[in-house]
Amino acid sequence: NAGVTQTPKFQVLKTGQSMTLQCAQDMNHEYMSWYRQDPGMGLRLIHYSVGAGITDQGEVPNGYNVSRSTTEDFPLRLLSAAPSQTSVYFCASSYWDPAYNEQFFGPGTRLTVL
Amino acid sequence: EDKVVQSPLSLVVHEGDTVTLNCSYEVTNFRSLLWYKQEKKAPTFLFMLTSSGIEKKSGRLSSILDKKELFSILNITATQTGDSAVYLCAVDAHNNDMRFGAGTRLTVKP
Repeated sequence: NAGVTQTPKFQVLKTGQSMTLQCAQDMNHEYMSWYRQDPGMGLRLIHYSVGAGITDQGEVPNGYNVSRSTTEDFPLRLLSAAPSQTSVYFCASSYWDPAYNEQFFGPGTRLTVL
Repeated sequence: EDKVVQSPLSLVVHEGDTVTLNCSYEVTNFRSLLWYKQEKKAPTFLFMLTSSGIEKKSGRLSSILDKKELFSILNITATQTGDSAVYLCAVDAHNNDMRFGAGTRLTVKP
């Protein structure tokens, strides 16, 4: 099993550009989520999904879109990048069952917006 | 507003010391509290706690939850340099909506 994979590992954008961060998991997890991690602020939830076709907003959703067309994939789209979106982005997945909701994290994408 | 507060923010100890990391929370619909260790890259899972007073142990690490006082502690005994990392506390506030604390950066010196 590959677990949770993310691409790209690094990305530099100019202000106003758009891009998609890819996330895939092969553990048949219902729940997938995107976080951003900024220095001194821990991880903040951007969007999450409890299954194909279902997404919801987390703590900091503005400027980001998601979709979940399959169980395996959960891409994160930046519509018009801003310097405030410079961060490390982590994708995570878990079972939906609260007794087994240990989250498995991808390796992260370091994004810089100039 | 849901929040998770960890203390201390950073800690420097010497090998062999015992450390206690703290996590307090205020959330509307508590389901579970999780501890993660983050070294250079992605967080890795340590413990999940759902019931008060039941200690979870894994080697030199242990953790306990107090749902009445709304906090958890993570203990590490006989620390080693490999324990150096950021330790993150997260609370499942509702429907897997995880709220993370800012983390405690632990440095263990030889």
